[in-house]
Amino acid sequence: QKEVEQDPGPLSVPEGAIVSLNCTYSNSAFQYFMWYRQYSRKGPELLMYTYSSGNKEDGRFTAQVDKSSKYISLFIRDSQPSDSATYLCAMTGPNFNKFYFGSGTKLNVKP
Amino acid sequence: ETGVTQSPTHLIKTRGQQVTLRCSSQSGHNTVSWYQQALGQGPQFIFQYYREEENGRGNFPPRFSGLQFPNYSSELNVNALELDDSALYLCASSSNRDRDEKLFFGSGTQLSVL
Repeated sequence: QKEVEQDPGPLSVPEGAIVSLNCTYSNSAFQYFMWYRQYSRKGPELLMYTYSSGNKEDGRFTAQVDKSSKYISLFIRDSQPSDSATYLCAMTGPNFNKFYFGSGTKLNVKP
Repeated sequence: ETGVTQSPTHLIKTRGQQVTLRCSSQSGHNTVSWYQQALGQGPQFIFQYYREEENGRGNFPPRFSGLQFPNYSSELNVNALELDDSALYLCASSSNRDRDEKLFFGSGTQLSVL
């Protein structure tokens, strides 16, 4: 079993839709949870960073963490064509010396 | 504030050769991590360097080795290249002085092994 599972998609939505991206994980030691956006063959760009359970909002993006279910989500409101990219979830424990990534979900927002 | 820079951007090697990839960390960051990203996959942790010492290693063979220099820049060396080593190699820097340590990535080096 992989440490982090993520639906690879692709996910295709019309412009303006609400997008929901999800990851599950197996290691209860994970405490820090991140979402990265990656454009084709470029380095991942940090979008959201949360600690432990709860919600965090930043503009059109909302990150949710449910540690009891080992489940994290990223919601994108009013999606734009420029949001088309691969979204990677990532997580780590208290030592920060190794980050575990999902395989990425490819999102396409159609104009 | 300068971001993470990697060189070269692209590289083509043949099986059995050796390669060195370079990374300059973001200003103020003292920790460097290397990740391998195969096509269609998420980044896989290779190792992390802090204070010029290896501070954690993923499931990669010893032919993957690294260095960190006093200015916090880093190198990734891969010996005896195999076809499966073809991937995007990502360097990420972070600062363990921060309570919530975040990884910031460079644009990567695309390595093709023929």
